[in-house]
Amino acid sequence: ETGVTQSPTHLIKTRGQQVTLRCSSQSGHNTVSWYQQALGQGPQFIFQYYREEENGRGNFPPRFSGLQFPNYSSELNVNALELDDSALYLCASSLPGGRSDTQYFGPGTRLTVL
Amino acid sequence: TQLLEQSPQFLSIQEGENLTVYCNSSSVFSSLQWYRQEPGEGPVLLVTVVTGGEVKKLKRLTFQFGDARKDSSLHITAAQPGDTGLYLCAGARDNAGNMLTFGGGTRLMVKP
Repeated sequence: ETGVTQSPTHLIKTRGQQVTLRCSSQSGHNTVSWYQQALGQGPQFIFQYYREEENGRGNFPPRFSGLQFPNYSSELNVNALELDDSALYLCASSLPGGRSDTQYFGPGTRLTVL
Repeated sequence: TQLLEQSPQFLSIQEGENLTVYCNSSSVFSSLQWYRQEPGEGPVLLVTVVTGGEVKKLKRLTFQFGDARKDSSLHITAAQPGDTGLYLCAGARDNAGNMLTFGGGTRLMVKP
């Protein structure tokens, strides 16, 4: 059983550019959540996808968007990058159905915006 | 604004000492999870507590969920250098537990 994988590992962009981050969920998991973790802080929930539909969103502007594909992998897209977007972006997959579903996190993508 | 406040933010102790990390909120959560994160990796789930007053033990780690399900604590007995890392609490508001609100984390360093 493969775990959650993310690509790329590291990425450097400049202000105003666009970026796409990718996540492959754990085998059989149909729910993917994305989090932003700024340096020295806890992760902040961006949004969640369940069966290819957005299933909840945190306090992030519309320039943060996402997709989930039929194989449950997911993308996070960020347009018009700002310096404050520099962070570790984590995705987590889960299989909803219980009261306390376990989320399995990937290693993250470290985005630096210059 | 963090809905979950963790304290302390940083903790540096000697091997063999005991410590407690606190996670407090004014909100009620349906469940609360504790994670440990190492540099360059994603958070790894340690435990989930769901019932007010619940206590769970994982070797030298003891987790407690407050009676009102608004706060939690993590107690480590006889800390070891391998316990070094970032400890995160996270609350879930719905029964599915999928959307998590994280605390700011407690960075623990255990010196040999």
